[in-house]
Amino acid sequence: AQTVTQSQPEMSVQEAETVTLSCTYDTSESDYYLFWYKQPPSRQMILVIRQEAYKQQNATENRFSVNFQKAAKSFSLKISDSQLGDAAMYFCAYRSTNAGGTSYGKLTFGQGTILTVHP
Amino acid sequence: NAGVTQTPKFRILKIGQSMTLQCTQDMNHNYMYWYRQDPGMGLKLIYYSVGAGITDKGEVPNGYNVSRSTTEDFPLRLELAAPSQTSVYFCASSLPYEAFFGQGTRLTVV
Repeated sequence: AQTVTQSQPEMSVQEAETVTLSCTYDTSESDYYLFWYKQPPSRQMILVIRQEAYKQQNATENRFSVNFQKAAKSFSLKISDSQLGDAAMYFCAYRSTNAGGTSYGKLTFGQGTILTVHP
Repeated sequence: NAGVTQTPKFRILKIGQSMTLQCTQDMNHNYMYWYRQDPGMGLKLIYYSVGAGITDKGEVPNGYNVSRSTTEDFPLRLELAAPSQTSVYFCASSLPYEAFFGQGTRLTVV
């Protein structure tokens, strides 16, 4: 079964600085998606960025970028020029896309990292 | 376009009571999920479905049941509610590359 681990329960960063959130996962599959979701106090789940496993190039979305290391099964999120609005809980997630596999379509989340942004 | 709609938003149950959390999506997604989120914790998968008539257990299925008779609806049934089921419940539907979440149901069992 796939597992997703976020080893940093809490992180903090100064406004305008850069912070990196860590995520590792365990899978025997070759085809999958990885995601970072943001959950502000409103509880809404917001997609931050996604990465397809077959793409070697790291995904970027404005101030958000990932470091995807497929062999190491690592998927970290870098937030540049941090803003007060970035404060939230961040979740790493894994989605199986291996058609015919026992976990096809399953979407699994990590434990989350609470990010605090200091002015 | 309503997206994913969960009802109710809040509910207090007494121990031993039963209830159904409703989830409807209007995006024609095959994949749907139920999660629970305890305070300050991550999302734990209860059940998921890859299409009408197909459901599978997640990490924490005990005490819950689901059905998927249509593409749109994926209700979650709690039988014999217990205090350990106090949590916030999220329903989601997804494409392969993005999931869409409901606003959550805060359930308290007393």
